[in-house]
Amino acid sequence: QKEVEQDPGPLSVPEGAIVSLNCTYSNSAFQYFMWYRQYSRKGPELLMYTYSSGNKEDGRFTAQVDKSSKYISLFIRDSQPSDSATYLCAMGRNDMRFGAGTRLTVKP
Amino acid sequence: DVKVTQSSRYLVKRTGEKVFLECVQDMDHENMFWYRQDPGLGLRLIYFSYDVKMKEKGDIPEGYSVSREKKERFSLILESASTNQTSMYLCASSLRDSQETQYFGPGTRLLVL
Repeated sequence: QKEVEQDPGPLSVPEGAIVSLNCTYSNSAFQYFMWYRQYSRKGPELLMYTYSSGNKEDGRFTAQVDKSSKYISLFIRDSQPSDSATYLCAMGRNDMRFGAGTRLTVKP
Repeated sequence: DVKVTQSSRYLVKRTGEKVFLECVQDMDHENMFWYRQDPGLGLRLIYFSYDVKMKEKGDIPEGYSVSREKKERFSLILESASTNQTSMYLCASSLRDSQETQYFGPGTRLLVL
């Protein structure tokens, strides 16, 4: 079993849809939870991170962490074609672990 | 604007060649990282460095070595390239106590024939 599981997709949605991206993990010691966005032919860039459990909102993006279920989510409201990218979850800090990434396409 | 640059975007090498991948950051970051990214496997850490001349093995160091002679520069060396090292290589950097916030370079796509 991988330490971090992420559905690779691909996921295709119409513009304006709400997108839900998810990861599960097995290491209960993780305290930091990150979402990175990677455009084609670019390196990943940090979208947001959450420490421990709870929600964090940044504009159209909301990150949720449920440590009891070892489950994290990223919600994108009012999705735009510019959101089309691969989204990587990551967790840990000194021993960071990445998910395989979910490829998202938002169609105009 | 923060920047991590990598010496090449694309490289084609022959089996057995020695390969150097270079990474430079201009943010005065203490930590630097080398990952490889493969479909279905995500990013896997090869080596990281938390200071000049310091290095730590990551999850998949076999077949690789690194060098950090200056704070801004971190090199990945493939001593004898093999076909299973064909991959996307990503360099990243972070502040010493902010490893959750890593800044990535654009990546080097290496093909070993």
